[in-house]
Amino acid sequence: KNQVEQSPQSLIILEGKNCTLQCNYTVSPFSNLRWYKQDTGRGPVSLTIMTFSENTKSNGRYTATLDADTKQSSLHITASQLSDSASYICVVSAFVAGNMLTFGGGTRLMVKP
Amino acid sequence: DVKVTQSSRYLVKRTGEKVFLECVQDMDHENMFWYRQDPGLGLRLIYFSYDVKMKEKGDIPEGYSVSREKKERFSLILESASTNQTSMYLCASHPPGGFTEAFFGQGTRLTVV
Repeated sequence: KNQVEQSPQSLIILEGKNCTLQCNYTVSPFSNLRWYKQDTGRGPVSLTIMTFSENTKSNGRYTATLDADTKQSSLHITASQLSDSASYICVVSAFVAGNMLTFGGGTRLMVKP
Repeated sequence: DVKVTQSSRYLVKRTGEKVFLECVQDMDHENMFWYRQDPGLGLRLIYFSYDVKMKEKGDIPEGYSVSREKKERFSLILESASTNQTSMYLCASHPPGGFTEAFFGQGTRLTVV
């Protein structure tokens, strides 16, 4: 069964600090991995999308890494801001009809001043 | 910008009512999805469609049906709403192929009383 596990479930950091969120998956056949940011009460918004051949991708202060061998990904947030407070969801796509998405449970990040 | 629009942000319905949740996308995407999101459970796929009049069951289709009469519109139907269907419902769409981004609507918070 395809699964995506994220850790930690929740995280509290001080403004200006860095943090790293983890994602482990067992989705097959692997197509791509995406990180989404979801503000409270809103739909998820894409941060990065990575294919099998990509190891690192950055989007401003967000840097995602992918190790397709170990089936792990991380999202590193640099110099956190209060607006980074949100849920971060790891989503893995499989090469099947309809391009099925498997969602992680998300990491809820709170950035405190 | 791709837009995925859900007809309501908040809905309150009574047990036993028939409920329609509408989703419209404006980018001619083939694939459309309906998810529900509950605390601690992440996003779970209810139904998806990869073409007009085509529909496939997701992980939790019981109690729901869908309609895709036009490419841009994907409707989720709760035939007889129950309190355990109180949830956040998210619609998503993306074009065919594996290396594409899924775009989400803003979500509909449904409360069944």
